[in-house]
Amino acid sequence: DGGITQSPKYLFRKEGQNVTLSCEQNLNHDAMYWYRQDPGQGLRLIYYSQIVNDFQKGDIAEGYSVSREKKESFPLTVTSAQKNPTAFYLCASSIGATHKGNEQFFGPGTRLTVL
Amino acid sequence: SQKIEQNSEALNIQEGKTATLTCNYTNYSPAYLQWYRQDPGRGPVFLLLIRENEKEKRKERLKVTFDTTLKQSLFHITASQPADSATYLCAPTDSWGKLQFGAGTQVVVTP
Repeated sequence: DGGITQSPKYLFRKEGQNVTLSCEQNLNHDAMYWYRQDPGQGLRLIYYSQIVNDFQKGDIAEGYSVSREKKESFPLTVTSAQKNPTAFYLCASSIGATHKGNEQFFGPGTRLTVL
Repeated sequence: SQKIEQNSEALNIQEGKTATLTCNYTNYSPAYLQWYRQDPGRGPVFLLLIRENEKEKRKERLKVTFDTTLKQSLFHITASQPADSATYLCAPTDSWGKLQFGAGTQVVVTP
């Protein structure tokens, strides 16, 4: 059963702690993405990776870090430097880069709340 | 700066009618424009893609138009059903080929 999974679904964090959100896909997609969604706003791109061992900053990368050691995995770490981390985080993948018009497949999301 | 505008007010529509959503963009010329559906608490799901050289695209009860002169895309749901109730996101590609998502328009279809 192909798809993209994120875990956990809900995550609570104390201020000052780093936390890592998991994203795994078995679609054999080259490109993966992390977005943040806040109420009333569109999805904002945090980081993206078009190939293993390579990734680029998106529009709001400050306070976040990623790695892409395996094609199927693209974990996101929310660091204590992120000023307002409470949000809904979405991971996505596409068969190739979106500049070629490729659609993105999204995971179910992780809702992070900082206490 | 590049900007995408979708109507922030929910669109309330009666079952069987056609829902029409608007997506306006400014300060760039996307090569592609995608539409996604998002249900509460879930990730978006891809619906349709239209290219800059295409005027119209259809898929079952969905229709998308793309007017590069007006810098606008219209998304139509014909013969709407309560199951069509969701938020619909417009996503043009930006100058670097990345998707830029609008905030979405919520559609509520009542029986």
